[in-house]
Amino acid sequence: KNEVEQSPQNLTAQEGEFITINCSYSVGISALHWLQQHPGGGIVSLFMLSSGKKKHGRLIATINIQEKHSSLHITASHPRDSAVYICAVREDGGSQGNLIFGKGTKLSVKP
Amino acid sequence: DAGVIQSPRHEVTEMGQEVTLRCKPISGHDYLFWYRQTMMRGLELLIYFNNNVPIDDSGMPEDRFSAKMPNASFSTLKIQPSEPRDSAVYFCASSRTGGAKNIQYFGAGTRLSVL
Repeated sequence: KNEVEQSPQNLTAQEGEFITINCSYSVGISALHWLQQHPGGGIVSLFMLSSGKKKHGRLIATINIQEKHSSLHITASHPRDSAVYICAVREDGGSQGNLIFGKGTKLSVKP
Repeated sequence: DAGVIQSPRHEVTEMGQEVTLRCKPISGHDYLFWYRQTMMRGLELLIYFNNNVPIDDSGMPEDRFSAKMPNASFSTLKIQPSEPRDSAVYFCASSRTGGAKNIQYFGAGTRLSVL
């Protein structure tokens, strides 16, 4: 069973486009993370959310706890945004280790 | 801060050999995690430690896998004997209780190829 589903799996965009990546989950959670994995393999934590919305530069993450859904938006996309974006949730009552990962969304931004 | 340091970055070995992956967490972090990433399954938690004590090893696939954390600044993940299906990228991550909303900091990973 896939407790964390991401869509789309692959996304190609032109530079400057507004991008949305979606994450749906089926378990009760205490937190949701968005991670970015660069083409070289390194993983960087972008956001941790438990409610509402967070913004960092051109990145915006939102979460709707009732609908069990989160979105990651990228405004004015750039080729350097090309990466795999991974959604991960921490189950309610789970400790720091209990992260459940989505399969990731591979984003390619063309110049 | 140097971040989470993993070694080696790449490992190529033959089936049946012992493989040891190493991780140095960020100083002051009390949680350490070992993950495996494959194309088929994505990122999977193998085991994690809190204050050097293994808390949950339910993700360790088989008895061939073992992990230790002898002190706060060093952990190993060992596979003995290795098999081709163990080929994957292995990530180590660390975090600090109460710090930065429990964000985990990842190492660069070890790409393991078992021939």
